[in-house]
Amino acid sequence: EVQLVESGGGLIQPGGSLRLSCAASGFIVSSNYMSWVRQAPGKGLEWVSVIYSGGNTYYADSVKGRFTISRDNSKNTLYLQMNSLRAEDTAVYYCARSYSGSYFFDYWGQGTLITVSS
Amino acid sequence: DIQMTQSPSSLSASVGDRVTITCRASQSISSHLNWYQHKPGKAPKLLIYGASSLQSGVPSRFSGSGSGTDFTLTISSLQPEDFAAYFCLQSNSFPLTFGGGTKVEIK
Repeated sequence: EVQLVESGGGLIQPGGSLRLSCAASGFIVSSNYMSWVRQAPGKGLEWVSVIYSGGNTYYADSVKGRFTISRDNSKNTLYLQMNSLRAEDTAVYYCARSYSGSYFFDYWGQGTLITVSS
Repeated sequence: DIQMTQSPSSLSASVGDRVTITCRASQSISSHLNWYQHKPGKAPKLLIYGASSLQSGVPSRFSGSGSGTDFTLTISSLQPEDFAAYFCLQSNSFPLTFGGGTKVEIK
């Protein structure tokens, strides 16, 4: 059974850093495109970043230069390193797996809440 | 970026009702449109992919249609477990973009 479990959320001050983790089971993270998606309070969903199976990475303009997506194949875990955090980064962050060979997501985690506030 | 306009943002319906939700893309996305159900505190669930393909395990009362810029999710007979939020996702090109969501509430 495919499962994605995010962790690492919490309250962080503006300008701070945080690393989110997404532990995967039931499949191999490095064999799929994996993304982070976020939803700010009361707002719609926003795609944040993707890492392809080959290792290429892409980012939304809103986080480019501040966030880094990566994976640890030995731990079958996806990460999102978030630096220079801003109030507008406050959101529930989801990791999601793309269906093999496609971009759409077939599995999501339950999300982890990041609150950026002083 | 491709803008996705979803409507309505909310609706009230009764068990057994037929419900229709639409998503419109700002440019053609062929059939790269996907529908999800999202309940509070849970992982979003894929319902329909490729505009009209039913994800395995999803009840047949859910269906999708459309291509190009206009797409529809239909629930043929609303069940108690269907009261939730629904959103669309275009997977034609990056950045992937989402509709604003539709909250289906009990009338």
